[in-house]
Amino acid sequence: TQLLEQSPQFLSIQEGENLTVYCNSSSVFSSLQWYRQEPGEGPVLLVTVVTGGEVKKLKRLTFQFGDARKDSSLHITAAQPGDTGLYLCAGKTGNTPLVFGKGTRLSVIA
Amino acid sequence: NAGVTQTPKFQVLKTGQSMTLQCAQDMNHEYMSWYRQDPGMGLRLIHYSVGAGITDQGEVPNGYNVSRSTTEDFPLRLLSAAPSQTSVYFCASRQTGIVSPLHFGNGTRLTVT
Repeated sequence: TQLLEQSPQFLSIQEGENLTVYCNSSSVFSSLQWYRQEPGEGPVLLVTVVTGGEVKKLKRLTFQFGDARKDSSLHITAAQPGDTGLYLCAGKTGNTPLVFGKGTRLSVIA
Repeated sequence: NAGVTQTPKFQVLKTGQSMTLQCAQDMNHEYMSWYRQDPGMGLRLIHYSVGAGITDQGEVPNGYNVSRSTTEDFPLRLLSAAPSQTSVYFCASRQTGIVSPLHFGNGTRLTVT
């Protein structure tokens, strides 16, 4: 079974601070996705990365896929209260179903 | 478009009762799946389907049945509910293709007493 370990599990920061969330595995993935989930709703896709070393930016969010395609990171610059939520990474290999990490719960305090 | 619609939003069952969680999507997605989400456990795959008439087990299939008679619908059946099945259940669908994103419904919160 492929496992995705996310860290930290919980993160509480002040508005304006920077943060990085990590997603690590011993398995190689053909693609990796990041989702954000808000209370009472289902997860929503933020980004998909498919190439080792790939970096994608989405406004203040920067996503990186490790060179070996075993890990990924999400960096948020100048966090805002609207960034509060559960961040989930999910990896896929071949035709196997998507595997999710346990998530990082982020709270940004105004 | 409505996307992925799940009903009911909340449900309380007694141990041993049966029920069906409904899931419908209007995006003509071939792939549909059911997850359960528990505190500290993330999203765990229960069952999935790559098309009408085809279903397969995920990580935690015991106690759940599924069928896929149409592209649009993918109901999840609990045959004899147990307290361990208390959870939030999410249905998700996507287009075929390795990097296609999953589109999730808003979940069904199930409590089994």
